[in-house]
Amino acid sequence: DAGVTQSPTHLIKTRGQQVTLRCSPISGHKSVSWYQQVLGQGPQFIFQYYEKEERGRGNFPDRFSARQFPNYSSELNVNALLLGDSALYLCASSIRQGTTEAFFGQGTRLTVV
Amino acid sequence: GDSVTQMEGPVTLSEEAFLTINCTYTATGYPSLFWYVQYPGEGLQLLLKATKADDKGSNKGFEATYRKETTSFHLEKGSVQVSDSAVYFCALSISMFSGGYNKLIFGAGTRLAVHP
Repeated sequence: DAGVTQSPTHLIKTRGQQVTLRCSPISGHKSVSWYQQVLGQGPQFIFQYYEKEERGRGNFPDRFSARQFPNYSSELNVNALLLGDSALYLCASSIRQGTTEAFFGQGTRLTVV
Repeated sequence: GDSVTQMEGPVTLSEEAFLTINCTYTATGYPSLFWYVQYPGEGLQLLLKATKADDKGSNKGFEATYRKETTSFHLEKGSVQVSDSAVYFCALSISMFSGGYNKLIFGAGTRLAVHP
């Protein structure tokens, strides 16, 4: 079975632009979470989605938004990009909401110039 | 608030040396505890977990015991290999009752370099 897949793997954007990152969870997993990992730090929680609804949000500005589709895949959108948004964006899937164990994708490396 | 503190790296060891990476946590309630490993250019891989006090998680020769009295979850391995070189993250999972979901809180990571 395929693990969590994310696309693209790398992305370079200009300050002020918008970006969309994509994630496909493990087959059978219904919950998707997004994390931001700035270089040299641990990942920080951005969102969790379950059954197409936002269930939790971390301390990130409204420029960050996400959605989950009927097939449980998810997109993370970031508007008005800032240099500080440069990071590795990780998607994690869990079999259901409230499950403690999460499985991560390889991440999307976003560079804002 | 809830947090995880790891020993700073880098940790540099010779092959077959003993490894300890310290991790302590602060949390309300009873979190589950995890160690994740990140190899260069890759995402996070779950290494081991423990869900309640005194549980020992183990995988690939790595071990960690959930110590509630000292709020610790130290990672150990008896004999490291060059292939163990990576960044190791300690994390806790907390339940957010307002939304009915769990989120992971990570430490800053500890880089391990193993030399032949």
